[in-house]
Amino acid sequence: DAGVTQSPTHLIKTRGQQVTLRCSPKSGHDTVSWYQQALGQGPQFIFQYYEEEERQRGNFPDRFSGHQFPNYSSELNVNALLLGDSALYLCASSFRLAGYEQYFGPGTRLTVT
Amino acid sequence: GNSVTQMEGPVTLSEEAFLTINCTYTATGYPSLFWYVQYPGEGLQLLLKATKADDKGSNKGFEATYRKETTSFHLEKGSVQVSDSAVYFCALRGGQAGTALIFGKGTTLSVSS
Repeated sequence: DAGVTQSPTHLIKTRGQQVTLRCSPKSGHDTVSWYQQALGQGPQFIFQYYEEEERQRGNFPDRFSGHQFPNYSSELNVNALLLGDSALYLCASSFRLAGYEQYFGPGTRLTVT
Repeated sequence: GNSVTQMEGPVTLSEEAFLTINCTYTATGYPSLFWYVQYPGEGLQLLLKATKADDKGSNKGFEATYRKETTSFHLEKGSVQVSDSAVYFCALRGGQAGTALIFGKGTTLSVSS
């Protein structure tokens, strides 16, 4: 049973560019949440998708957007990248009817230069 | 709003020493509480959880008790091993946070033989 997978593993972008990160949830899960983890900090909630709609959003600007596909996989898009967007981006999947216990992927390390 | 405060690290112990990592929280309503562990180069793994006051979560020798009167969820282990070296995150879910996880900043544990 595959766990949560994320791609790519590492990414280097230039300030002002746009980036797309991808996540495949654990088999049987229908909800995907995204978190940003800056170096030396705890993860911060960006948003959550269920039934292809954004259901909850943290304190992040509109430059951060997402999408969920019918197969429950998800993308995180960040526009107009800033140096401060450099972080580990974590995807977590859960099953709504099982109390939203979240399983995390290994993350994508984004470096903005 | 909801928040989690963890003791500052790093915590450095010898093998077989007793471990305590303090965690306190601020939340409205009745949140669920979690401890996650992050090993070097890996994503977050759920270590243990408690969903209501006085519940004790336990796993792999680690324990934490949900104390509503002191708004605390301290992590303990009677005898640490070198393999326990990792970053530990306290988190809550529920109340104003909805289904999002709110994390503390993390505590780095280093165990030497």
